[in-house]
Amino acid sequence: AQSVAQPEDQVNVAEGNPLTVKCTYSVSGNPYLFWYVQYPNRGLQFLLKYITGDNLVKGSYGFEAEFNKSQTSFHLKKPSALVSDSALYFCAVRDWDLSGNTPLVFGKGTRLSVIA
Amino acid sequence: ETGVTQTPRHLVMGMTNKKSLKCEQHLGHNAMYWYKQSAKKPLELMFVYSLEERVENNSVPSRFSPECPNSSHLFLHLHTLQPEDSALYLCASSQDGTGLNNEQFFGPGTRLTVL
Repeated sequence: AQSVAQPEDQVNVAEGNPLTVKCTYSVSGNPYLFWYVQYPNRGLQFLLKYITGDNLVKGSYGFEAEFNKSQTSFHLKKPSALVSDSALYFCAVRDWDLSGNTPLVFGKGTRLSVIA
Repeated sequence: ETGVTQTPRHLVMGMTNKKSLKCEQHLGHNAMYWYKQSAKKPLELMFVYSLEERVENNSVPSRFSPECPNSSHLFLHLHTLQPEDSALYLCASSQDGTGLNNEQFFGPGTRLTVL
């Protein structure tokens, strides 16, 4: 089975400070990991993904995420937060060793608030 | 814009009504998805279509009935819904449904309220 956990419902950070949104996953094989962002009254937008290769993945809007296999984590990071980064962030995982049709499994989301 | 559109954006219906949600993707993708998003709960995958064939049905009640007439269009037919079905219904598409190119593109959603 595959699952993903976002342990924080809410993260607050001051503008200009670094931000981290946490994600841990569980798969039986190798993970295929995503981060999505949802702004108010909008659908989810893709930020970045990890398949294989470099553990540090860079994505849209200055975000990056670090894949840590030993800790089964894929935390989202940004060096300097902007007020416009305030949104709902979703981590998702798929076990790409599974055969057949195995869609992504999403976490419950973390609301990020960046305070000016 | 993501290339995935949904109509209507808002829908209020009674428990005895029949309505349909529509999704259209302009990306040339082969897989389409319906998700239910409720407050403080993970996204719930409802249905997956790949090449117009249903490949996933996550124990969704029969009062939700999907239809995929072609690879660009996906419908969700609703009848005799319950108030707990009120949620944001998101449509998504991906290049394929199983491979590494299943990065999903989401529509803006339909906010459904069942009275």
